[in-house]
Amino acid sequence: GDKVKQSPSALSLQEGTNSALRCNFSIAATTVQWFLQNPRGSLMNLFYLVPGTKENGRLKSAFDSKESYSTLHIRDAQLEDSGTYFCAAEADSNYQLIWGSGTKLIIKP
Amino acid sequence: EAAVTQSPRNKVAVTGGKVTLSCNQTNNHNNMYWYRQDTGHGLRLIHYSYGAGSTEKGDIPDGYKASRPSQENFSLILELATPSQTSVYFCASGGSRDRGWTLYFGEGSRLIVV
Repeated sequence: GDKVKQSPSALSLQEGTNSALRCNFSIAATTVQWFLQNPRGSLMNLFYLVPGTKENGRLKSAFDSKESYSTLHIRDAQLEDSGTYFCAAEADSNYQLIWGSGTKLIIKP
Repeated sequence: EAAVTQSPRNKVAVTGGKVTLSCNQTNNHNNMYWYRQDTGHGLRLIHYSYGAGSTEKGDIPDGYKASRPSQENFSLILELATPSQTSVYFCASGGSRDRGWTLYFGEGSRLIVV
């Protein structure tokens, strides 16, 4: 089964609304990274997390290593938030990431 | 701002030909990675490197070689390209853990093998 399972696989939102994306881990994740792949294909890092939370503007992410999950909250969604969000976890402190299959987010005006 | 540059950005190769994808980073990161991305598979790790002279096999190394001649440069080599290697390839660099080990990606190289 998937070691890093993302949900939902796809999501469509109206501009200005809020959303929550989730990753569940079946591995002992030690760190988590969240990425956005925009519609042009570019991959951008959003967060690097050890257990705890981080916030950056309208984005907030949390990682709970004991309960084996991470979340990404988007507040007041904007059109430029559209794209595919990936989470990736490190398990063995070996600088390798195990990737989820992504959540495709569409923001509608 | 961290910078990872890939070349070529687009390539059409013939079956059986040799393809070299190049990656240069100006971040002074020790770790570099080559991934491929196909519809329905997300990102899959091909090769990675912990520093100059080091190359390690990732999850799908068959049919690929890697070369890390310097801190800045990491190449992916397809000695005998096959149509199954048609994909988008991404290079990334990542720093040390005490700097947060954030991965920075290049813009991707689209390879079509005919």
